[in-house]
Amino acid sequence: RKEVEQDPGPFNVPEGATVAFNCTYSNSASQSFFWYRQDCRKEPKLLMSVYSSGNEDGRFTAQLNRASQYISLLIRDSKLSDSATYLCVVNRDDKIIFGKGTRLHILP
Amino acid sequence: DVKVTQSSRYLVKRTGEKVFLECVQDMDHENMFWYRQDPGLGLRLIYFSYDVKMKEKGDIPEGYSVSREKKERFSLILESASTNQTSMYLCASLAGTWETQYFGPGTRLLVL
Repeated sequence: RKEVEQDPGPFNVPEGATVAFNCTYSNSASQSFFWYRQDCRKEPKLLMSVYSSGNEDGRFTAQLNRASQYISLLIRDSKLSDSATYLCVVNRDDKIIFGKGTRLHILP
Repeated sequence: DVKVTQSSRYLVKRTGEKVFLECVQDMDHENMFWYRQDPGLGLRLIYFSYDVKMKEKGDIPEGYSVSREKKERFSLILESASTNQTSMYLCASLAGTWETQYFGPGTRLLVL
């Protein structure tokens, strides 16, 4: 089993809709969690950190469920510019583990 | 703002050539990383460094070496390029273990 797993998608979602995707991690000792966004042919950029209590940044909400070992990202009122690949990142000890990403296409 | 720069955006080399990819960060970060990214395989760690002159192998170090003579600069070396090293190479830096990584713009390397 991979240490960090994501549904590769693509998720094809109409503009204005709400979309959510999860990332599961297998090691309960994982300590910090992030969502990165990667546009086509560009580098990954931090979207948001994921805190234990959940956190929100505008239309984006991230949550952590330690009991079930997953993190989630919810995007409300999706925009065409949200089309990208979303990478889940898990830090454990001195190791940084990337998921392979979930592709999101927002349809006009 | 943290800035991570890479020496080339696009590079075309021939099989057997020695290839140098350079990465520079301007935020005095201790940790620097080299990844390659291929379709369907995600980001794979080649080497990382947590201090000057220190280096650690990542998950796929074969065929690569690195150099970190100065804190701000981390170089990836392909001793003898092969076609299976055609890829997108991404450099990243990180202040501390629980911090976020900052990536350079990437180098698309094509080995013919």
